[in-house]
Amino acid sequence: QKEVEQNSGPLSVPEGAIASLNCTYSDRGSQSFFWYRQYSGKSPELIMFIYSNGDKEDGRFTAQLNKASQYVSLLIRDSQPSDSATYLCAVSITGGNKLVFGAGTILRVKS
Amino acid sequence: SAVISQKPSRDICQRGTSLTIQCQVDSQVTMMFWYRQQPGQSLTLIATANQGSEATYESGFVIDKFPISRPNLTFSTLTVSNMSPEDSSIYLCSVEGGLTWGGYTFGSGTRLTVV
Repeated sequence: QKEVEQNSGPLSVPEGAIASLNCTYSDRGSQSFFWYRQYSGKSPELIMFIYSNGDKEDGRFTAQLNKASQYVSLLIRDSQPSDSATYLCAVSITGGNKLVFGAGTILRVKS
Repeated sequence: SAVISQKPSRDICQRGTSLTIQCQVDSQVTMMFWYRQQPGQSLTLIATANQGSEATYESGFVIDKFPISRPNLTFSTLTVSNMSPEDSSIYLCSVEGGLTWGGYTFGSGTRLTVV
């Protein structure tokens, strides 16, 4: 059973702070890692993907991947109330195109 | 990235009936994926649909309950058959974005309520 684990939260941060979201996965052969944002009642929206160890930055978002430790994280700098949503970590399954999703972390940014 | 049109956006159905959900993609894609998101839960893959072959179902999902069609490279349907209240969920289709883009795009979802 391939698993992806996230802290369900809610994670509460003040506006302007850095939000740190974490995810661990069990499939050591996984190659692709994704972070999705899902607002209530909406479908998931891809915000970051990362394939290689290290950091990948896109605007206020930084994805960090450590394959040896089997974790991937998402940092959101200068958090805004509009960032309040559920963040889903997804991992590709070895040898296939399927994604396994974590349960998601609820982020609340307080103004 | 691909743009997916999914319909209906929501429906309320009587138990024992069936609902067919459609997804249309604006470009040709090899694989389309169907997910279910139960209330307050994350996404669970139902099946992978390839054009010209039978869909591949995940553990716990069967073709009799969730028949899938994939008549061409831009279109797929998922039918939820003989519905019960436990089928009340959001159903989403998804496609892979491609090598130059990466990631998977989702349709807007179908919110199904079975009464």
